[in-house]
Amino acid sequence: QQQVKQSPQSLIVQKGGISIINCAYENTAFDYFPWYQQFPGKGPALLIAIRPDVSEKKEGRFTISFNKSAKQFSLHIMDSQPGDSATYFCAASGGNQGGKLIFGQGTELSVKP
Amino acid sequence: DSGVTQTPKHLITATGQRVTLRCSPRSGDLSVYWYQQSLDQGLQFLIQYYNGEERAKGNILERFSAQQFPDLHSELNLSSLELGDSALYFCASSVATSGDEQFFGPGTRLTVL
Repeated sequence: QQQVKQSPQSLIVQKGGISIINCAYENTAFDYFPWYQQFPGKGPALLIAIRPDVSEKKEGRFTISFNKSAKQFSLHIMDSQPGDSATYFCAASGGNQGGKLIFGQGTELSVKP
Repeated sequence: DSGVTQTPKHLITATGQRVTLRCSPRSGDLSVYWYQQSLDQGLQFLIQYYNGEERAKGNILERFSAQQFPDLHSELNLSSLELGDSALYFCASSVATSGDEQFFGPGTRLTVL
């Protein structure tokens, strides 16, 4: 019940295309779902986050879509750029877990020029 | 730059030794979290402190301990080190006790030889 499953493991997208990364969770007590971006040698950086009371949140080229009934959420990167090439992690927290973030396994995104 | 600082950046030591990793949270943040990142386990939550008190505990080994000091900086102590402890160790901080808006530091890369 504590797992967050992320797919795909790796993704190659052409410049200008849409990158889509999916995550699924089991614990219905989770109430906070962030996405992090990590470049090699750096710490994860908070990109965007959503709560279950909304179905979509958009910030610039990044959009989270949230499906509460399916217990799934996804990150869409519009107009993908080579500078977006990084590893992306979804995560979840909430319930009686304190501040514990449970991370997905990560998706390595490569945007080709 | 997230505002979270970690020292040292790199640490190389031998099996059986003890090391201390240090973290200073962002100004105003009361919660500090420790995470371990390895290729096989991904990003794993270790422990959370809020204003000096332990708030949540993950799969932290008994050989590992942490504390948060009155000035809110935190230290993670790793003892009786094993080869498998080689990993990136990240500190994150946030304002509240929930998992919301955790900002990660640059990490400490620990290599156990």
